[in-house]
Amino acid sequence: QKEVEQNSGPLSVPEGAIASLNCTYSDRGSQSFFWYRQYSGKSPELIMFIYSNGDKEDGRFTAQLNKASQYVSLLIRDSQPSDSATYLCAAELSGGGADGLTFGKGTHLIIQP
Amino acid sequence: ETGVTQSPTHLIKTRGQQVTLRCSSQSGHNTVSWYQQALGQGPQFIFQYYREEENGRGNFPPRFSGLQFPNYSSELNVNALELDDSALYLCASSPRDSNSPLHFGNGTRLTVT
Repeated sequence: QKEVEQNSGPLSVPEGAIASLNCTYSDRGSQSFFWYRQYSGKSPELIMFIYSNGDKEDGRFTAQLNKASQYVSLLIRDSQPSDSATYLCAAELSGGGADGLTFGKGTHLIIQP
Repeated sequence: ETGVTQSPTHLIKTRGQQVTLRCSSQSGHNTVSWYQQALGQGPQFIFQYYREEENGRGNFPPRFSGLQFPNYSSELNVNALELDDSALYLCASSPRDSNSPLHFGNGTRLTVT
């Protein structure tokens, strides 16, 4: 059974601080990892993806992957109130998508002005 | 370049009825995936279509079926609706021969009463 686990939160972070979101996955065969942001009532929006161990930076966002520990994280620097949303972590077993993405339940992030 | 579009936006059906949801894939994308997101949960993979055939399937019963057309658009059909089928249904398209991450459409909110 493939599982992706996230702390549901809410995670409350002051404006301007670093928000740290974590995710673990059970299937060691997982190759690709994704972070989606979802505002209430809207569909998920892709913000980062990572395939290799280490860090990947894109603007204020950094994704971190540690395959040995089966751990993925997302850091948001200089957090803004507009970052308040649910963040979904997803893992994919192989490229091509035929196995589908396995999502966690999401972490609710609140940025306090 | 247009993204993934889904219709209708909202739908209300009665238990036992049948429903068809539609998805137009992004230009140049030949693979379509469908996901179900219940309230408070992460999206769950229903199935993927490539070249008009089902290419992968998640843990959903046969009353969930689909079609893909020559223009790569797709339909999700659900028969004998149950109350638990109430959810946000998400469609995503992607090129088959790459590791392109999924970008979702705006979704169809289905309510079964």
